[in-house]
This record gives sequence, structure tokens and C-alpha cells, in this order.
Amino acid sequence: DSGVTQTPKHLITATGQRVTLRCSPRSGDLSVYWYQQSLDQGLQFLIQYYNGEERAKGNILERFSAQQFPDLHSELNLSSLELGDSALYFCASSGGFLSYEQYFGPGTRLTVT
Amino acid sequence: AQTVTQSQPEMSVQEAETVTLSCTYDTSENNYYLFWYKQPPSRQMILVIRQEAYKQQNATENRFSVNFQKAAKSFSLKISDSQLGDTAMYFCAFVSRGQFYFGTGTSLTVIP
Repeated sequence: DSGVTQTPKHLITATGQRVTLRCSPRSGDLSVYWYQQSLDQGLQFLIQYYNGEERAKGNILERFSAQQFPDLHSELNLSSLELGDSALYFCASSGGFLSYEQYFGPGTRLTVT
Repeated sequence: AQTVTQSQPEMSVQEAETVTLSCTYDTSENNYYLFWYKQPPSRQMILVIRQEAYKQQNATENRFSVNFQKAAKSFSLKISDSQLGDTAMYFCAFVSRGQFYFGTGTSLTVIP
């Protein structure tokens, strides 16, 4: 158990809908990262937050947004969902801005039908 | 552009033997970090080992060690005394300036 929690574990929704994925980092970790892993693919880095501020942006679509709240939990919002958004979405946390040793949550499996 | 390449989609090794997984990367940066992550069938991503680019000494974690060749931009993972629990997908990852890049993975099967 990495100490990072993600909810829900599974999510099934229809095209055009909007969903919110939630992540709680390890106790004391200030950085949260979001990744997308499509079927049989590597991980695509989406975005990083550090202590509530956006710090780095990867291949995140404009239909996707994220935020980190004062209690350090983070949410990833996916809107106008398409079939191609079906994937495993991981959240990871690390201790500091330059501490890149990440601990991953169990992921949220999103299926868009 | 930064890229990470894992040229071995699948590998297998006999239990108790040694196996090496390859990874190359491309970057113009001088300061960066490299990682190997393991993803077993449970899909949980588990950090195996990390290497800071400024360190010449190769990182070692128990049965896992790396061969870091900075000039060649190579970062291979050696697993000694392979165990059945090592069966997993292994991803090489690179981070610089806050941006993370992962390879497409190598599926390792440990054969009893």
C-alpha cells in the first residue's frame, strides 16, 4: 500500500459526459501528479500540482482540468468525454517540488461507452 | 524533444537467473532523474529504483541494479536471482524540469 488513495476504482460513463476523479496523497506529501495509461500503453504525464499551485503540465487536453485543494487532495475533471478517453488514470504523490520519487495510487479505471 | 525508448516489448527469464532490461533516452538537459517502475498484473505502479544524472555511481536496491551510461543516454535495469513475483511490466521513466516521460514498457515473465 503506497498510502495514496484514489476514488472511484471504476467508472463507466457515456460519451459527452463529465466525471471527476479524486486523489488523496500520502500524508505529508505536497506534490500530486496525474497520469493517463491507455490500454497496453505507457504512462502519459498530464499535470503536476505542488501545494495547491500548478507546477508542470504535460499532454493534458483542454477538456481536462485539475486542481489541488488546501487539504492537498486533488481532483481531475474530464469533460465532453470521448471513447478514446477510456483509460486507467493514476495519481501519484511525492514529498516536495524537486522530490521526484513518486508513489502511485491504485488508479481509476474509466470506461467511456 | 525528450523521449524514452524501451526496445524490448517482451522478455522472459528462468527463475533464479539474471536478466537485463534496456532503456535509452534522449534529452539535451544536464540535470535529470531516471527511474524504473514495476507494474504487476494488479496494475499498481511500484518504484523499483532511481538514479540522479549527476551521480556517477550506479544505483542498487537489493536484487535490482542499474547500468547508467550518461554519455550514451542509456539506463538499463538488471534483476538478479529472478523471482516469480518479478513478473510484471517494467517502465523506464525520465524527469527533467518537472516533466515526466515514460517508455512503452517491457513485459517480463519469470519462468519457474
